[in-house]
Amino acid sequence: DSGVTQTPKHLITATGQRVTLRCSPRSGDLSVYWYQQSLDQGLQFLIQYYNGEERAKGNILERFSAQQFPDLHSELNLSSLELGDSALYFCASSSPPGGATDTQYFGPGTRLTVL
Amino acid sequence: GDSVTQMEGPVTLSEEAFLTINCTYTATGYPSLFWYVQYPGEGLQLLLKATKADDKGSNKGFEATYRKETTSFHLEKGSVQVSDSAVYFCALRWGGGADGLTFGKGTHLIIQP
Repeated sequence: DSGVTQTPKHLITATGQRVTLRCSPRSGDLSVYWYQQSLDQGLQFLIQYYNGEERAKGNILERFSAQQFPDLHSELNLSSLELGDSALYFCASSSPPGGATDTQYFGPGTRLTVL
Repeated sequence: GDSVTQMEGPVTLSEEAFLTINCTYTATGYPSLFWYVQYPGEGLQLLLKATKADDKGSNKGFEATYRKETTSFHLEKGSVQVSDSAVYFCALRWGGGADGLTFGKGTHLIIQP
């Protein structure tokens, strides 16, 4: 158990809909990262937050957004869903100082299926 | 841009065999390098890492050496067990900490008793 929790475990929805994925980082971790794992694209970095502020953006679509709240939990919002958004979405967290050598601890993921 | 290339598999070995999973990267400069492992139905776990050239990361019998001349970070284990069956990901990350990990496609390893 990494200490990172994600809800829900599974989500099934229809095209055009909007969903919110939730992540609680390990106690004390200020950085939260979101990744998407799909069969065709592999594991891709989407976005990073550090202590409530956006710190880095990866291959995140305009239809997707995220935020980190004062209690440090984070939410990833996916809107106007398409079939191709079906994937496993992982959240990871790491401790300060937030350097390149920090270990990122991954949650168990949320499996999103868009029908 | 940066990229990580690794054999995708599946790689099937017998228990106690020697394991090598190749990983090479394309990047300007010297990123930190990582191996993560994903067991069925679980998230990724850090297996080992190396932060500069010639560093060797090791954990649970697995080893990998950061080779800047060949831009490689191959994963090795002398004697694999059935419990090592999983998907292994090679990844890199740049200094500064304002970025995510760049992953390879993953190598599915199957160990047969």
